[in-house]
Amino acid sequence: NAGVMQNPRHLVRRRGQEARLRCSPMKGHSHVYWYRQLPEEGLKFMVYLQKENIIDESGMPKERFSAEFPKEGPSILRIQQVVRGDSAAYFCASSRARGDIEKLFFGSGTQLSVL
Amino acid sequence: DQQVKQNSPSLSVQEGRISILNCDYTNSMFDYFLWYKKYPAEGPTFLISISSIKDKNEDGRFTVFLNKSAKHLSLHIVPSQPGDSAVYFCAVQFSGTYKYIFGTGTRLKVLA
Repeated sequence: NAGVMQNPRHLVRRRGQEARLRCSPMKGHSHVYWYRQLPEEGLKFMVYLQKENIIDESGMPKERFSAEFPKEGPSILRIQQVVRGDSAAYFCASSRARGDIEKLFFGSGTQLSVL
Repeated sequence: DQQVKQNSPSLSVQEGRISILNCDYTNSMFDYFLWYKKYPAEGPTFLISISSIKDKNEDGRFTVFLNKSAKHLSLHIVPSQPGDSAVYFCAVQFSGTYKYIFGTGTRLKVLA
């Protein structure tokens, strides 16, 4: 669990600003997932990426949200023109292989607060 | 459209007693079921899983039961310990896919 690094842990933005959330997967993991947890809700799937490829972004809002996982560097979840409803905990997870049961490792999350 | 439901948002149990956490799902095509535990300010960690070909899986104090006809999953913790106090999420997955669907979580508090 400690191997998936997310930063920042807390991010405060004003409405209309951009938020960038970073995730470094565990060593040896090439699959990254982003989940969002809204207050009083479960973890909602957002996007699944492999190196340089978005495999499934069916959980991403149609506008303002984007994700990437470049060949070098961390995965980035980018939210443009944030609104109050974007306030949530964003969790990144990684795995070694696609659909690797029981081996989805989560980071500690980024708590985004939009003022 | 909640495909995975945990109807009890919270549960309090005395130390040493059994904790039973429940989870209901709607799609009979799911074939892997997992429980994750989450402490405050940490990410979820995997706890125990079961495939649809089984109806019980045990790991130490933790046992997961699957009732396919009722589309019901439960996690039993016995004996419960104060360190078990956390939020527990059930999750389901189609085999060979990458998408885990999580429930809303149950906050377990084990009282010393």
